[in-house]
Amino acid sequence: AQKITQTQPGMFVQEKEAVTLDCTYDTSDPSYGLFWYKQPSSGEMIFLIYQGSYDQQNATEGRYSLNFQKARKSANLVISASQLGDSAMYFCAMREVRDDKIIFGKGTRLHILP
Amino acid sequence: DSGVTQTPKHLITATGQRVTLRCSPRSGDLSVYWYQQSLDQGLQFLIQYYNGEERAKGNILERFSAQQFPDLHSELNLSSLELGDSALYFCASSGTGLNSPLHFGNGTRLTVT
Repeated sequence: AQKITQTQPGMFVQEKEAVTLDCTYDTSDPSYGLFWYKQPSSGEMIFLIYQGSYDQQNATEGRYSLNFQKARKSANLVISASQLGDSAMYFCAMREVRDDKIIFGKGTRLHILP
Repeated sequence: DSGVTQTPKHLITATGQRVTLRCSPRSGDLSVYWYQQSLDQGLQFLIQYYNGEERAKGNILERFSAQQFPDLHSELNLSSLELGDSALYFCASSGTGLNSPLHFGNGTRLTVT
């Protein structure tokens, strides 16, 4: 069964610092995709970045990058040069190719301090 | 704008009642997913439809049901409502392919009193 674990319920980070949000997953399917979403206090869900299980390179999108360690089954999100607007809930999610449902972790609430 | 439309935005109803939440997916997306987010909780997967057919089922209660219509819009029906059903209900749509992200609607905030 799919499982996504985000072990940091909350984090406080100083503005302009880099931050790493942890995500580990469990699957027996060799083919899967990993997603990160941001949910600001306004409530909408915003797609940030995707990493495929067969991708050779770590995914990057602007200030977001994914530290993908397949053997450890971890897909940590790295936000460089954090900004006040990065304060939000962040969710890691996974989709297996054999089962199209997309499962989310419980999320990490990130607070950026001025 | 994600292109996914959910109505209504807010719904307040009493215990024991039945409500219907509606979702129009992004143009071209065949898959529709429903999620429940309770206060300060993650997103619980309820059910997924693909081109009118149920594709995957999660922790959806028997009191809840859903369907996807030929025009691809979807409805989530919640009946015999309980206080614990109060939550934010998200609809999301996706294209085909492992790398297709979910595009979320703005959610329906359900309050059961």
